[in-house]
Amino acid sequence: ETGVTQSPTHLIKTRGQQVTLRCSSQSGHNTVSWYQQALGQGPQFIFQYYREEENGRGNFPPRFSGLQFPNYSSELNVNALELDDSALYLCASRPAATDTQYFGPGTRLTVL
Amino acid sequence: KQEVTQIPAALSVPEGENLVLNCSFTDSAIYNLQWFRQDPGKGLTSLLLIQSSQREQTSGRLNASLDKSSGRSTLYIAASQPGDSATYLCAVRPNGDSWGKFQFGAGTQVVVTP
Repeated sequence: ETGVTQSPTHLIKTRGQQVTLRCSSQSGHNTVSWYQQALGQGPQFIFQYYREEENGRGNFPPRFSGLQFPNYSSELNVNALELDDSALYLCASRPAATDTQYFGPGTRLTVL
Repeated sequence: KQEVTQIPAALSVPEGENLVLNCSFTDSAIYNLQWFRQDPGKGLTSLLLIQSSQREQTSGRLNASLDKSSGRSTLYIAASQPGDSATYLCAVRPNGDSWGKFQFGAGTQVVVTP
């Protein structure tokens, strides 16, 4: 049990739609990262937020955006969904004093 | 560009046998390396984190070594049990990159048969 929760567990959308995924971390976890994991692959870094500001981004287009809130929750928003966006989306948070990442259980997104 | 490779992609062993999982990376300029376990359709559970200045870390039946100069890390699991069946992933954090930007391997899927 990592104390990191994600919602919803599963989601089905159609091409062109928009989606919002949510993550809730423990108190004191002031850094959160989002990853995309396609089937059979390792997670790919999307972006990171520290104290509500984005401070790192992977090779993902601007239609992937995020927010982090003062209550240690965060959102991943994806606009204009494409079929290739179908994946497991993971958030990971870090307590202020360590390098260890704590992952949530993920949201399985299917785009039809 | 940092690339992380895990070979083999899948491994099956009988219960009680020791497991040896390999991770290689192309750029030795890393800040740390972390091993994770992932059960089917689930999130990742952190197993061990090795800082770049360390050679190994141990936790219970798990031991991870790091050889930066050769770009390799090995995860040893002693006396495997059926409950160890999962996918094991390694991830490296390159020097100079923001904390969360870990580069993951594709993982080794392990099956421990009773």
